[in-house]
Amino acid sequence: DQQVKQNSPSLSVQEGRISILNCDYTNSMFDYFLWYKKYPAEGPTFLISISSIKDKNEDGRFTVFLNKSAKHLSLHIVPSQPGDSAVYFCAANSVQKLVFGQGTRLTINP
Amino acid sequence: DTEVTQTPKHLVMGMTNKKSLKCEQHMGHRAMYWYKQKAKKPPELMFVYSYEKLSINESVPSRFSPECPNSSLLNLHLHALQPEDSALYLCASSQWRREKLFFGSGTQLSVL
Repeated sequence: DQQVKQNSPSLSVQEGRISILNCDYTNSMFDYFLWYKKYPAEGPTFLISISSIKDKNEDGRFTVFLNKSAKHLSLHIVPSQPGDSAVYFCAANSVQKLVFGQGTRLTINP
Repeated sequence: DTEVTQTPKHLVMGMTNKKSLKCEQHMGHRAMYWYKQKAKKPPELMFVYSYEKLSINESVPSRFSPECPNSSLLNLHLHALQPEDSALYLCASSQWRREKLFFGSGTQLSVL
């Protein structure tokens, strides 16, 4: 039972353009959502989060949007830079624990 | 200091060995976690410690034994592991149970 889903295993974007990563969830008890970035053989690095009482949170080049009725969130990166190439994990938190999606590998092409 | 430090970075062990993974944080966080990550998979929760007490055990086999000696340290004792236990083991901490997690760099474990 996969409660957090990232349906795109990979995404390729031109440098300078917008990258949009998507995430869907099924558990309506989730009330806090996070995005992590991960390089191989390293731990995930926190990027940005959003509480379920908000629909948007922005931090520099990163913006997360939450659509509670659709149980969908997205991460926008603009402009995309070569250093953004990594695997991005969406995660959702309820009282018990943090649940991760399968990840999307983002590649930024020069 | 916003780091979670894990040692060793790499570990190779036989199925009859006993080894320990160590994790340390000095951010004053009261929740600490062990996650396991296989290649091309998301991190999977193993254990959660809250205020130095084990609060979640995700039905992990007894060959993995966690220990939280104090609020800054978290250990994972390994004994009689199987080759399928080879993975990246990640430690994380958070201020409270529902806050964002800070992850260490992980220990890449290979069981031969």
